[in-house]
Amino acid sequence: GDSVTQTEGLVTLTEGLPVMLNCTYQSTYSPFLFWYVQHLNEAPKLLLKSFTDNKRPEHQGFHATLHKSSSSFHLQKSSAQLSDSALYYCALRNYGSSGNKLIFGIGTLLSVKP
Amino acid sequence: DTTVKQNPRYKLARVGKPVNLICSQTMNHDTMYWYQKKPNQAPKLLLFYYDKILNREADTFEKFQSSRPNNSFCSLYIGSAGLEYSAMYLCASSRGQGAGNTLYFGEGSRLIVV
Repeated sequence: GDSVTQTEGLVTLTEGLPVMLNCTYQSTYSPFLFWYVQHLNEAPKLLLKSFTDNKRPEHQGFHATLHKSSSSFHLQKSSAQLSDSALYYCALRNYGSSGNKLIFGIGTLLSVKP
Repeated sequence: DTTVKQNPRYKLARVGKPVNLICSQTMNHDTMYWYQKKPNQAPKLLLFYYDKILNREADTFEKFQSSRPNNSFCSLYIGSAGLEYSAMYLCASSRGQGAGNTLYFGEGSRLIVV
């Protein structure tokens, strides 16, 4: 079945350094890929999404490129800010899959320190 | 307004007792979802309503019930809580079920069963 694999656990960075959170996926079909971000005590919110190979959507300084050849959708930012500290979920969703459900990875907790 | 509200935010329940979690949205979305999130696990879809049609995942079919009395509200009901139900329950809504459609999440209801 479809699945998403993310950088596991906690990623700790110093403010100003680049961010890269890994996401790879397995899917029978060609899916949409999403990044959701959840700040402490808040709801998960959409950060980015993509369906098109090699396109790079950007939002709030974050970007991610869907590479279908390597089944990857890594999240990047050139310079981490303290406010980027949050839980990041990579997720996929297929046209035509059972229930069209959004399938999540386990999440990566990003902690940015001064 | 893109708010999804969940009540209660925290629930302490005794083993064997029923639990009812409520979700509401004011975006006139036709689809509402319930996800379960346990520590060190990915959020897992339990069920969703498309309009008035309930779709339950096969592996949780008998464990959870739900109702949607109107477009704005959706409940998640556990008839007899067990320890394994302790988790964060996330409600979400979307307009339609297209694979690229954004899900809007609530802040979650944390259930602890003792």
